[in-house]
Amino acid sequence: RKEVEQDPGPFNVPEGATVAFNCTYSNSASQSFFWYRQDCRKEPKLLMSVYSSGNEDGRFTAQLNRASQYISLLIRDSKLSDSATYLCVVNKVYGQNFVFGPGTRLSVLP
Amino acid sequence: EADIYQTPRYLVIGTGKKITLECSQTMGHDKMYWYQQDPGMELHLIHYSYGVNSTEKGDLSSESTVSRIRTEHFPLTLESARPSHTSQYLCASSEVNEQFFGPGTRLTVL
Repeated sequence: RKEVEQDPGPFNVPEGATVAFNCTYSNSASQSFFWYRQDCRKEPKLLMSVYSSGNEDGRFTAQLNRASQYISLLIRDSKLSDSATYLCVVNKVYGQNFVFGPGTRLSVLP
Repeated sequence: EADIYQTPRYLVIGTGKKITLECSQTMGHDKMYWYQQDPGMELHLIHYSYGVNSTEKGDLSSESTVSRIRTEHFPLTLESARPSHTSQYLCASSEVNEQFFGPGTRLTVL
């Protein structure tokens, strides 16, 4: 079993749709959680950190459920420019190595 | 904007050649990483370093080697390139809560 698992995708959605990505992690001692975005043939970039209380950044909302070892990302009013692969990332030990999930690809269609 | 650089960006080379992929960062980060990623596939950690003279192998076995003589520099070397080494190689550095990636080197071994 992989340490970090994500919805397999791809997700093909129309502009304006709301889309939710799910991620689970296996190490209950994991400390920090993130969503990264990777455009086609580009490097990953941090989208947002995920806090226990949940956090929102514009159209993006991230939530963490430590008891279920589950992380989610919600994108509202999706734009064409949101098309990318979304990577769930877990930091097993604070400040140490980051574990990347396999990613979920999103295509927003006109 | 992240200050992490990789050269070359693209490299096409014949089997048996020795190659070095360069990575440098100007952020003063102690932690640096090398990932390998095939098109449309997930990231695999192949090497990491927590500081000068510290290097460790990652989760994915790799025939490459790395060195960390200076904080800002983390080169990756393949002594004898083979077609199976064809991939994208991404370098990253991190603070505690974010990894910054370089633009990557696309390596093709003929």
